[in-house]
Amino acid sequence: AQKVTQAQTEISVVEKEDVTLDCVYETRDTTYYLFWYKQPPSGELVFLIRRNSFDEQNEISGRYSWNFQKSTSSFNFTITASQVVDSAVYFCALSGGSGNTPLVFGKGTRLSVIA
Amino acid sequence: KAGVTQTPRYLIKTRGQQVTLSCSPISGHRSVSWYQQTPGQGLQFLFEYFSETQRNKGNFPGRFSGRQFSNSRSEMNVSTLELGDSALYLCASSFGTGGNQPQHFGDGTRLSIL
Repeated sequence: AQKVTQAQTEISVVEKEDVTLDCVYETRDTTYYLFWYKQPPSGELVFLIRRNSFDEQNEISGRYSWNFQKSTSSFNFTITASQVVDSAVYFCALSGGSGNTPLVFGKGTRLSVIA
Repeated sequence: KAGVTQTPRYLIKTRGQQVTLSCSPISGHRSVSWYQQTPGQGLQFLFEYFSETQRNKGNFPGRFSGRQFSNSRSEMNVSTLELGDSALYLCASSFGTGGNQPQHFGDGTRLSIL
């Protein structure tokens, strides 16, 4: 069975601080896909990144970076120099197997960035 | 390019009634997935439709059903509503089928059961 654990329920940081959101996953599949989504107060989930299990290269996109480590089954997300607009709930998700299995989401981490 | 459109945004129903929610995917997207989001259970997958066929189904009772039309628009129906069905229902579309596809979500329909 697939499982995603986001141990941090809520995080508060002051603007311009760096913050890391943790994600630990469980799967028996050798091929799988990991995602991060952002859910602002308006409700819709916004796709941030997708990683497949064969690509452990870390990725940076502006102030966002992702650290994928298969050895620890983790796919952590770091926001550098956080801004108030980063305040949202962030979800890590997993799709196992060949990709035909549906997404399994973690419970989410609510990030509050205080000005 | 228009995003995923869900209607209505808000619904209030009473126990025992039924409800139909609508989702229009991004133009060109053939896959539509539905999710239920509640504070207790988080985001849970309901079902996925691709080319008018149900491809995957989550662990929900038969009261929850869906369909997809030839223009890829999708509807989900919940019959005999229960208090526990109060939730945000999110629709997502993608070009291909399967959970490995990046999905684009709508704003959701917030359903409240009285």
